[in-house]
Amino acid sequence: DGGITQSPKYLFRKEGQNVTLSCEQNLNHDAMYWYRQDPGQGLRLIYYSQIVNDFQKGDIAEGYSVSREKKESFPLTVTSAQKNPTAFYLCASSIRGVETQYFGPGTRLLVL
Amino acid sequence: KNEVEQSPQNLTAQEGEFITINCSYSVGISALHWLQQHPGGGIVSLFMLSSGKKKHGRLIATINIQEKHSSLHITASHPRDSAVYICAVVSGNTPLVFGKGTRLSVIA
Repeated sequence: DGGITQSPKYLFRKEGQNVTLSCEQNLNHDAMYWYRQDPGQGLRLIYYSQIVNDFQKGDIAEGYSVSREKKESFPLTVTSAQKNPTAFYLCASSIRGVETQYFGPGTRLLVL
Repeated sequence: KNEVEQSPQNLTAQEGEFITINCSYSVGISALHWLQQHPGGGIVSLFMLSSGKKKHGRLIATINIQEKHSSLHITASHPRDSAVYICAVVSGNTPLVFGKGTRLSVIA
């Protein structure tokens, strides 16, 4: 089945630790996105990539990093510089130039 | 940057009621999306529209470009419609801008 997978579903981070969230899609989509969702807030864009080996910062990129070495993969690293990482993280993908996005199931990150 | 406002924030309805969720935005757009987020967190796209009206089953979405306003209607609501409904807009090549969502609870 085609779709987007995110892993893990829940992730725990210790203070000062970097963690990486996985996002994989087999939809052959060029564009991929990372969003953060906090209670009572709309989704906010962290990073997006419209093509392999290229990505752009979104509204809240500080404390995060990404890579796009393969079309199907867009991992997000939450670094120790992100002081308030507890949130729900959603990955999405779309055909480049087409606005409908397909979302993964999300990863909930908690800080211990 | 576009500002997207949704109302109401929370909505409780009895099964069978007709439901309306509203979305307004501040800057002209090329398209508007309605999304549904279930309690587990997964999001699905319901509609994308740039003018007029679209219908899918018991869901109807309308948009008034001049008034910068869209509505999502649910007819004959059912408990399985309970979810967060999110409006998102796009202008040109800019990424989607999301509203904060409307939490709907339908009681049997």
